[in-house]
Amino acid sequence: QVLLVQSGSEVKKPGASVKVSCKTSGYTFSIYGISWVRQAPGQGLEWMGWISGYNGSTNYAQKFQGRVTMTTDTFTNTAYMELRSLRSEDTAVYYCARDHWESPFGGVWGQGTTVTVSS
Amino acid sequence: DIVMTQSPDSLAVSLGERATINCKSSQTVLYSSNDQNNLAWYQQKPGQPPKLLIYWASTRESGVPDRFSGSGSGTDFTLTISSLQAEDVALYYCLQYSSPHTWTFGQGTKVEIK
Repeated sequence: QVLLVQSGSEVKKPGASVKVSCKTSGYTFSIYGISWVRQAPGQGLEWMGWISGYNGSTNYAQKFQGRVTMTTDTFTNTAYMELRSLRSEDTAVYYCARDHWESPFGGVWGQGTTVTVSS
Repeated sequence: DIVMTQSPDSLAVSLGERATINCKSSQTVLYSSNDQNNLAWYQQKPGQPPKLLIYWASTRESGVPDRFSGSGSGTDFTLTISSLQAEDVALYYCLQYSSPHTWTFGQGTKVEIK
């Protein structure tokens, strides 16, 4: 069974950084990429970027270029998303999603991590 | 940048009736590299992550009830729920994929019971 388990909720002050983890199990980590998507309260889904499970190559949404870093740890089969210089608008639920087995869409999703940015 | 526009923003349908959601892309999502429409549909219920319903515009994900179907090609796509059930109340999103590994979501459509 493929599982993506994310780290717990975070509360951060403006200007701080947050690093969310996505621990995977039930499949060969190197075969699939991981995307990160966020959802602000009452808002739609926003794609942040993608990282290869094979070689760690990344593609970030232009909006987050320079402020986000996605990494992987192939020993623990865990993906990470770090967002810096947090502002109140970054308050959201952050999701990781593994590439679908047959298509480049998100087939299996983590449960979500709530990040609250507040002074 | 590609823009995905869904319509309507919300709709209310009677139980057992048909629900239709449209998604329009500002550019074609039919790619010659794989001869597929790189378009998916997701369902999201409150407090839950999105769930993949349809990929390649019309391929139903395993385990998804056959009352859900997708159609369309190029820039215009439709998600149809043939007979709305109470458990189908949710937000629905279309998602476009473009190379290299870029996603664009529609703004979402809220489906409710009339």
